[in-house]
Amino acid sequence: AAGVIQSPRHLIKEKRETATLKCYPIPRHDTVYWYQQGPGQDPQFLISFYEKMQSDKGSIPDRFSAQQFSDYHSELNMSSLELGDSALYFCASSYLLGQEYTEAFFGQGTRLTVV
Amino acid sequence: AQTVTQSQPEMSVQEAETVTLSCTYDTSENNYYLFWYKQPPSRQMILVIRQEAYKQQNATENRFSVNFQKAAKSFSLKISDSQLGDTAMYFCAFSWEGAQKLVFGQGTRLTINP
Repeated sequence: AAGVIQSPRHLIKEKRETATLKCYPIPRHDTVYWYQQGPGQDPQFLISFYEKMQSDKGSIPDRFSAQQFSDYHSELNMSSLELGDSALYFCASSYLLGQEYTEAFFGQGTRLTVV
Repeated sequence: AQTVTQSQPEMSVQEAETVTLSCTYDTSENNYYLFWYKQPPSRQMILVIRQEAYKQQNATENRFSVNFQKAAKSFSLKISDSQLGDTAMYFCAFSWEGAQKLVFGQGTRLTINP
């Protein structure tokens, strides 16, 4: 079965550089979520999109932006990178069934290292 | 605000034993959903089991079952006949009707010893 695809799997950037993370949801899933998991931490919600519109927002820094495109893939853009941005970034997707939360399937994550 | 608390940072049991992981949550929502996710060393997040708050019957998936105590806001995970492959971080997570996100607990690192 198709899963959530994230690219790249690993990324090394220098401080103050820019990074773009991509996420391809499971076919027919209309909702995409982004999470950040620091070392030894639980995943923290950043932002979500439903039908290409932002649907919820968490603790996402102003230096980060994201969008969902017409083919439902999503990109997380991160600028002015800081050492503290080093983390595992997960994308997850689900489909909205009325107001019911259906289970989110996670990608394998992008490990970002800022040096 | 919704919060999820896992009070056991680490647990360790012998293979084939039964282990229970604890989770409590706080919410004012009436319609919500609870999940247990497993994160093995590969760091992949894998859904283990899901429980809808409106269902009184506890969810079961093979060796995994939950004890959902709605009044106590408790949602524990029981793993029976534990296997070496169960070694992982386990996260309790919460979402609610209309929400577009999961709130995670701090995680419990479970080690199954041979």
